[in-house]
Amino acid sequence: DAGVTQSPTHLIKTRGQQVTLRCSPKSGHDTVSWYQQALGQGPQFIFQYYEEEERQRGNFPDRFSGHQFPNYSSELNVNALLLGDSALYLCASSHRDVYLRSYEQYFGPGTRLTVT
Amino acid sequence: AQSVTQLGSHVSVSEGALVLLRCNYSSSVPPYLFWYVQYPNQGLQLLLKYTSAATLVKGINGFEAEFKKSETSFHLTKPSAHMSDAAEYFCAVYNNAGNMLTFGGGTRLMVKP
Repeated sequence: DAGVTQSPTHLIKTRGQQVTLRCSPKSGHDTVSWYQQALGQGPQFIFQYYEEEERQRGNFPDRFSGHQFPNYSSELNVNALLLGDSALYLCASSHRDVYLRSYEQYFGPGTRLTVT
Repeated sequence: AQSVTQLGSHVSVSEGALVLLRCNYSSSVPPYLFWYVQYPNQGLQLLLKYTSAATLVKGINGFEAEFKKSETSFHLTKPSAHMSDAAEYFCAVYNNAGNMLTFGGGTRLMVKP
């Protein structure tokens, strides 16, 4: 059973550019969450997708957007990149329980984004 | 809102010694708590979880954690450290308002030979 996969592994972009990161969830999972992990810090929640809609959002500007496809895979898009966007971007997949909670989250290996 | 605090950003132990990584939580509702491990240049791996069943939770790689409501703690322990345990460890709490995980700042565990 393949776990959560992410692509690309590493990415280098210039300030002002746009980037798209991709995530495929674990088999049987229907919910995808994205987290940003700056160097030396814990992951910070960006947003969550379920049934192809953004359901929850953390404290991130609308330069950060996403999408979920019918096969549950997801993309994270960041526009107008800033130096401060340099981080490890983690995708987590989960399955909503009968109360629509997604507390047991499984993480992918991450995409390391460097903005120069 | 739920939050967690990890005491000690760096912990160093000798191989074979007890590992104790501290996590305290703040929550107005019964919390769901997690420990994750992150090896260099990798994602997060779930070590163990507490979801209001047994207060002593056993995880992978010989780790366990005990939920103590009176102390609002969920400390991670392992009786005997191995060199391969060297990694970053994150405590997290499920935030039911946001349907998301809120993480602590992490503790880097170093194991000396």
